[in-house]
Amino acid sequence: GQNIDQPTEMTATEGAIVQINCTYQTSGFNGLFWYQQHAGEAPTFLSYNVLDGLEEKGRFSSFLSRSKGYSYLLLKELQMKDSASYLCAVKDSNYQLIWGAGTKLIIKP
Amino acid sequence: IAGITQAPTSQILAAGRRMTLRCTQDMRHNAMYWYRQDLGLGLRLIHYSNTAGTTGKGEVPDGYSVSRANTDDFPLTLASAVPSQTSVYFCASSVRGDDTEAFFGQGTRLTVV
Repeated sequence: GQNIDQPTEMTATEGAIVQINCTYQTSGFNGLFWYQQHAGEAPTFLSYNVLDGLEEKGRFSSFLSRSKGYSYLLLKELQMKDSASYLCAVKDSNYQLIWGAGTKLIIKP
Repeated sequence: IAGITQAPTSQILAAGRRMTLRCTQDMRHNAMYWYRQDLGLGLRLIHYSNTAGTTGKGEVPDGYSVSRANTDDFPLTLASAVPSQTSVYFCASSVRGDDTEAFFGQGTRLTVV
């Protein structure tokens, strides 16, 4: 079956760095996505990786290793507004998104 | 403001009743999707449409139906609601079915009692 694994919850301190890991087993691979979802709101797109390596976008970076079925989202200079759930998703061979359950990130002052 | 609009925002529905969740987008996106989100589970695809006039089944289609008469609208119908359909429902769209980014509506919180 298809599976996306990510930690359920993480806690970090304002101003610090946090890395959220995601491992996947899917039938085919057509890209990996990270979305941010604040409580009670819709998911919003953060990043997309289809080739191995690091993609940097401001305070957020996303890394992919296709051979290891592994990705991480790196958040730097954490702000209180970064408290949210972070969703990892993979597009399979049919271009359908398979979603992880999300990682709830709690930022403490 | 361009985007996706879902209605209603929330609804309490008696079991056995029929209900249609509405979704409209004004971005002229070809592909549209319906997901449900339940605590502890990832978003699960119910139905999708890659272009007007076509629809397909996702991971959890049973008890739900959709139609795509035009580009903008993608309603989701529960023919006879059951308590297990209590969930938050998100409509989303993307330029194409294989596109990189999906845009989500604000969600409909449905409670079936």
